[in-house]
Amino acid sequence: DIQMTQSPSTLSASVGDRVTITCRASQSISSWLAWYQQKPGKAPKLLIYKASNLESGVPSRFSGSGSGTEFTLTISSLQPDDFATYYCQHYNSYWTFGQGTKVEIK
Amino acid sequence: EVQLLESGGGLVQPGGSLRLSCAASGFTFSSYAMSWVRQAPGKGLEWVSTISDSGDSTYSADSLKGRFTISRDNSKNTLFLQMNSLRAEDTAVYYCASHYGVKSIAYYFDYWGRGTLVTVSS
Repeated sequence: DIQMTQSPSTLSASVGDRVTITCRASQSISSWLAWYQQKPGKAPKLLIYKASNLESGVPSRFSGSGSGTEFTLTISSLQPDDFATYYCQHYNSYWTFGQGTKVEIK
Repeated sequence: EVQLLESGGGLVQPGGSLRLSCAASGFTFSSYAMSWVRQAPGKGLEWVSTISDSGDSTYSADSLKGRFTISRDNSKNTLFLQMNSLRAEDTAVYYCASHYGVKSIAYYFDYWGRGTLVTVSS
């Protein structure tokens, strides 16, 4: 089974900061990676698919990159609405989530 | 507008059974694969089970050891999850989610329901 590992688990940042979250796969997954944002008590929301494609309606400050086993989600300038937990997900060969990265206010 | 509405959650005793439903609207339900994802209190997301658009193919997490069964009724635009031999560790919010891509199972989840809480406790 493919394992997905995110780092860090928690990230403290301020409004306006550039934030980067890393997701590593236990074996190559090409670009079959999605990123989701989840706020407390809410369902996850799709942000990025196929590693670097921005879902319609998602602000352009979000971007994704990577292929193979290492991927990143970057928020170019953190906004108040962005404090949330972020999950990566491998798809195409079963579906596996990373453990999540909580972005909290510094 | 795509809507997914889960129901059927509640309190159940260990060893008991529960059937979750997910009513879909706003899209051609019979053309899309569907999945269940759960989230234990304070924990991360865990994929549970997936079913193809036609219902012919199903996949489930190994950790469930065959206790859960996913199914769908395309005539009623409804997805189901039959959960048997429930354990305390099955306590979670259960979300249904639709897959991106017509008649394609191997994709990410583009729409999610709000979830239904299942609590397994005596």
